[in-house]
Amino acid sequence: EPEVTQTPSHQVTQMGQEVILRCVPISNHLYFYWYRQILGQKVEFLVSFYNNEISEKSEIFDDQFSVERPDGSNFTLKIRSTKLEDSAMYFCASSGDRDRILREAFFGQGTRLTVV
Amino acid sequence: DAKTTQPNSMESNEEEPVHLPCNHSTISGTDYIHWYRQLPSQGPEYVIHGLTSNVNNRMASLAIAEDRKSSTLILHRATLRDAAVYYCILRDVRGGSQGNLIFGKGTKLSVKP
Repeated sequence: EPEVTQTPSHQVTQMGQEVILRCVPISNHLYFYWYRQILGQKVEFLVSFYNNEISEKSEIFDDQFSVERPDGSNFTLKIRSTKLEDSAMYFCASSGDRDRILREAFFGQGTRLTVV
Repeated sequence: DAKTTQPNSMESNEEEPVHLPCNHSTISGTDYIHWYRQLPSQGPEYVIHGLTSNVNNRMASLAIAEDRKSSTLILHRATLRDAAVYYCILRDVRGGSQGNLIFGKGTKLSVKP
């Protein structure tokens, strides 16, 4: 069964450092998303991406965040200067073509980011 | 985004049916009703979705009220593996919207052996 893969599974970084979280969406999918979940809290939408550009973003997704699909297979989330409050589980997700997005989004297993 | 209301938690016994309710009184005509679940330490997982008619798949059934202001996710025989947080989400894919999934707090389902 196709799956979304995320690397690394756990990343520890010092405050102020840049981090890049990587995702490989399902190969024929066209819509891509990043979500985050702070420990014990709900899953929060960050950004959606389609046709090589951001479609929508939440208030959380400020200038410190950026996304990229550099090579047609990877989908990355970059945090330029990490803060302690960026510590969370980050989930990547993808959906298929316009008909299929009505059905389901597939989520990766997440990257746990710890900022110290 | 139209909002949903779910109980914070529910308990079930193993191998018994579970009915997880969701209220969405402000649902619009173009909102699809989606259910996802999140097992401990995992990413969310699609369960089922529907628009107006009841739906069945291998995981669950979705019963949608005639006025669409509420729905119920039915697990026919709960197993220990079904212990998770279940999210009821309204998804609007009109026009250019990608229908981003906006998660609430969901219902934490506990399954007792």
